[in-house]
Amino acid sequence: EDQVTQSPEALRLQEGESSSLNCSYTVSGLRGLFWYRQDPGKGPEFLFTLYSAGEEKEKERLKATLTKKESFLHITAPKPEDSATYLCAVKTSYDKVIFGPGTSLSVIP
Amino acid sequence: KAGVTQTPRYLIKTRGQQVTLSCSPISGHRSVSWYQQTPGQGLQFLFEYFSETQRNKGNFPGRFSGRQFSNSRSEMNVSTLELGDSALYLCASSLDTGVGNEQFFGPGTRLTVL
Repeated sequence: EDQVTQSPEALRLQEGESSSLNCSYTVSGLRGLFWYRQDPGKGPEFLFTLYSAGEEKEKERLKATLTKKESFLHITAPKPEDSATYLCAVKTSYDKVIFGPGTSLSVIP
Repeated sequence: KAGVTQTPRYLIKTRGQQVTLSCSPISGHRSVSWYQQTPGQGLQFLFEYFSETQRNKGNFPGRFSGRQFSNSRSEMNVSTLELGDSALYLCASSLDTGVGNEQFFGPGTRLTVL
């Protein structure tokens, strides 16, 4: 069965304390893996798309990487405005989109 | 450039009723997808429309249906509402259906079923 999991469920960081969020997937063929950020009361905001193992993408303090079984979202020197829920999703070879449960990140000043 | 708009933003219904939610995609976007978000199940894919045709459907009962109009606007309908249908319903649009097309989400419609 196709499945996407994320860990940790919640993460609390001090401002400037770097860390990584994990997204593990088991799917029948990966067409792409996506990272989104969701603020309370809003729809998800697109961050990255990764297509194949070894690929990396960066945007400001965020860097996403992909292996054959998982993806990491690295957050370098986070700021309070990085506080949000981070969601990963995969698109399978059957064009199904499956979201993970998300990681709730809190960055404390 | 205006974003994805969804109406209404909030809705309260009672069990057994039906509801219609509306989504206007970003101008020029032809693909619209619908998702249900709940605290217990997270974000779950409902269906995807492109050029007025349903391209893909998630694992939801037939009470959930949708359609897309020639101007790419989309509606989803839920009939015979159940308490478990209470959720945030999100619409996302993209230029096309390819995996490389970024999805832009609307703010969602918060449906409460009493």
